[in-house]
Amino acid sequence: ETGVTQSPTHLIKTRGQQVTLRCSSQSGHNTVSWYQQALGQGPQFIFQYYREEENGRGNFPPRFSGLQFPNYSSELNVNALELDDSALYLCASSLKYGRGIYEQYFGPGTRLTVT
Amino acid sequence: ELKVEQNPLFLSMQEGKNYTIYCNYSTTSDRLYWYRQDPGKSLESLFVLLSNGAVKQEGRLMASLDTKARLSTLHITAAVHDLSATYFCAVAPLTFNSGTYKYIFGTGTRLKVLA
Repeated sequence: ETGVTQSPTHLIKTRGQQVTLRCSSQSGHNTVSWYQQALGQGPQFIFQYYREEENGRGNFPPRFSGLQFPNYSSELNVNALELDDSALYLCASSLKYGRGIYEQYFGPGTRLTVT
Repeated sequence: ELKVEQNPLFLSMQEGKNYTIYCNYSTTSDRLYWYRQDPGKSLESLFVLLSNGAVKQEGRLMASLDTKARLSTLHITAAVHDLSATYFCAVAPLTFNSGTYKYIFGTGTRLKVLA
């Protein structure tokens, strides 16, 4: 167990809807990253938040957005859901300090199905 | 474009046999991570390799890192059925401008150990 929690565990949405996924970071961690893992593929980096600001983004459209709160928990929001958004969404928390080592600790994931 | 390639993609082996999974990456990175993933589950951290020549062992698994060759290996000794899973390597190049620290995952190796 890494101490990173995610909710909900599973979610079914309809194409065109909006969804919010939540993540609670491990205690003491100030950085959270989100990854999308489609079936049969490796996780793909969506974006990272550090001290409540976006700190890097992968190749995902603007309808993927996020928030980080003062307690370092985070949300991933996806608007106008498409069938290809069906995936396992992984949250990872880490501690950033200068250019130190930032091992990321992954949560259990949220399985999103878009029909 | 940063790439992380694993081979083989699929591996079916008999119990008791030895085999090696290879992870090649195209960017400079002095750290490399190995994860295990069971179907429908999140990522389980196996090894963190932080320097050239690093070697780590846990049970029947041993991982090594050659940063000059940009190659890591995961060696399986005397495989048992419980090792059946998908194995991912990931590198974490630091983007100096933004300080973003993201993982780039390999394609994954799906291992099936036959009794």
